[in-house]
Amino acid sequence: DQQVKQNSPSLSVQEGRISILNCDYTNSMFDYFLWYKKYPAEGPTFLISISSIKDKNEDGRFTVFLNKSAKHLSLHIVPSQPGDSAVYFCAASLNNNDMRFGAGTRLTVKP
Amino acid sequence: KAGVTQTPRYLIKTRGQQVTLSCSPISGHRSVSWYQQTPGQGLQFLFEYFSETQRNKGNFPGRFSGRQFSNSRSEMNVSTLELGDSALYLCASRDRGPAEAFFGQGTRLTVV
Repeated sequence: DQQVKQNSPSLSVQEGRISILNCDYTNSMFDYFLWYKKYPAEGPTFLISISSIKDKNEDGRFTVFLNKSAKHLSLHIVPSQPGDSAVYFCAASLNNNDMRFGAGTRLTVKP
Repeated sequence: KAGVTQTPRYLIKTRGQQVTLSCSPISGHRSVSWYQQTPGQGLQFLFEYFSETQRNKGNFPGRFSGRQFSNSRSEMNVSTLELGDSALYLCASRDRGPAEAFFGQGTRLTVV
């Protein structure tokens, strides 16, 4: 069962513009959400996270928004850079247990 | 501090064979999780081990099994390999408390 869904397999944006990656989840009990970034031939690396008690967390060019009523989170990257081109996975966990990941969104930032 | 180490990096096996993959977590991390990555399916959770005990298990058949040793190193075994088992297998280690997981580079398994 896919408890975490990323419905857009790919996204293409122009350098300097905003990238918005979306993620939906079905289990309202999830209490911690994360975004990971993955380059080819490498393992995913942690990008940013948010606790369910918050609705926004910002780290430099990256901001994650959480809408608990809609069971939706999004990752905003602004301004987007070519080096941001990668596959982005969102993940959710409950009570510090294992994470459930979405299928990933491949972001391409064009110069 | 060394990162998460997975061995081997690449593996080619024949249908029906069995395979064992290894994961050495970051020193001090007691939780090790295994994931299967295939195109279009993202990261599918296999199982998590904590202090040598399987704490959670995903929806995979019994051909997929694992274990964790007292030094937190973990192994994953797949028996009676099928073509559909071809994938990138990733392991991740993390601290006991709420924390981000650190992933290894993965083992690319190809079943022919």
